[in-house]
Amino acid sequence: DAGITQSPRHKVTETGTPVTLRCHQTENHRYMYWYRQDPGHGLRLIHYSYGVKDTDKGEVSDGYSVSRSKTEDFLLTLESATSSQTSVYFCAISKTGLDEQFFGPGTRLTVL
Amino acid sequence: TQLLEQSPQFLSIQEGENLTVYCNSSSVFSSLQWYRQEPGEGPVLLVTVVTGGEVKKLKRLTFQFGDARKDSSLHITAAQPGDTGLYLCAGEAAGNKLTFGGGTRVLVKP
Repeated sequence: DAGITQSPRHKVTETGTPVTLRCHQTENHRYMYWYRQDPGHGLRLIHYSYGVKDTDKGEVSDGYSVSRSKTEDFLLTLESATSSQTSVYFCAISKTGLDEQFFGPGTRLTVL
Repeated sequence: TQLLEQSPQFLSIQEGENLTVYCNSSSVFSSLQWYRQEPGEGPVLLVTVVTGGEVKKLKRLTFQFGDARKDSSLHITAAQPGDTGLYLCAGEAAGNKLTFGGGTRVLVKP
């Protein structure tokens, strides 16, 4: 299995609070991605990174920011959580960006 | 925006039956990937199809890429309870990223 972990695995928070999710990889892959998964929507890309300090927006980036200060870590921040951000969040990594993506175990976030 | 539509959204069958899942788009993709996701886990790659008309087999699973590279199908023969899961197709999008279909949830009852 690809070495990719997410923390926390579960989180319950209140509307308006900041939340940071962490993705850590040991594969030294260049590309890292954050997705959210909601019923009926498959996986939707939030943000992705193509190198240290190089990030770009995905299709559902509003309300989210990311940072990648080193190859192995990719952080997703919800500056002020809303109930619409209740979801399961997956991190993924890829060598080239067009090859297989390896996914982490997911983080279930509930915003009350 | 390149969209991938999967059908059906949900499929419930008895063990031993066959099933087919479809992934369609109006856009041409240079390749398509199929993933399976089990409850509580992240998706795992099953196969990548690259050439129009290509057929790939993975045990009881048969994947086909349309001649025009706009659609793909997954056929499972003699389904087993272990085939239960969410099947996702994904195609390349600009910027070295993937766009995913909405998924087909398959339930195989013993």
